[in-house]
Amino acid sequence: NAGVTQTPKFRILKIGQSMTLQCTQDMNHNYMYWYRQDPGMGLKLIYYSVGAGITDKGEVPNGYNVSRSTTEDFPLRLELAAPSQTSVYFCASSYLGLASHEQYFGPGTRLTVT
Amino acid sequence: AQTVTQSQPEMSVQEAETVTLSCTYDTSESDYYLFWYKQPPSRQMILVIRQEAYKQQNATENRFSVNFQKAAKSFSLKISDSQLGDAAMYFCAYRSASRMNRDDKIIFGKGTRLHILP
Repeated sequence: NAGVTQTPKFRILKIGQSMTLQCTQDMNHNYMYWYRQDPGMGLKLIYYSVGAGITDKGEVPNGYNVSRSTTEDFPLRLELAAPSQTSVYFCASSYLGLASHEQYFGPGTRLTVT
Repeated sequence: AQTVTQSQPEMSVQEAETVTLSCTYDTSESDYYLFWYKQPPSRQMILVIRQEAYKQQNATENRFSVNFQKAAKSFSLKISDSQLGDAAMYFCAYRSASRMNRDDKIIFGKGTRLHILP
């Protein structure tokens, strides 16, 4: 299994541009998550999904949108990028069947908005 | 709401020595899970160790062990025989175990950066 994969690894955006961060998992996990990690800080949850067709807001959803049309994919959309969205973005997944709902993380996408 | 606090932003330890990273949390729930994640410079988040709150026995994974004090809401990580590869950011995390809770989220602390001195 490849686990959780994210593309791109790096991206520079101009203010006002839009982009989609891709996330795919091949472990048949029900739950998927998007986090952002600002320098020197822990992770903050942006959005999460408990299954295909279901998404919920996390702690910091403003400026982002998500969709979950398949179990495998959970793209994160940035509309009208702002400098405050400069961060490292992590996608993660977990399986409801695991008692502890241990999360598996992707390698991250470093986004800079200038 | 649950919170996770890591009061040590940075720590250093000599190679081969033992170091303990602190974590406290706040919750009104009785059933939950606690985790320590490691984030090396590659940025990948790696699960180090997991503790179920209903278990009194402290979890151990090779050189990594925890001291789980449920009444004190404390969950420290001990790394024995520190190695250069242990240098990383370490995050303590909390997750509710409630099956009624569809709000399935992990709460992370702000992290402790661990330096290993050769």
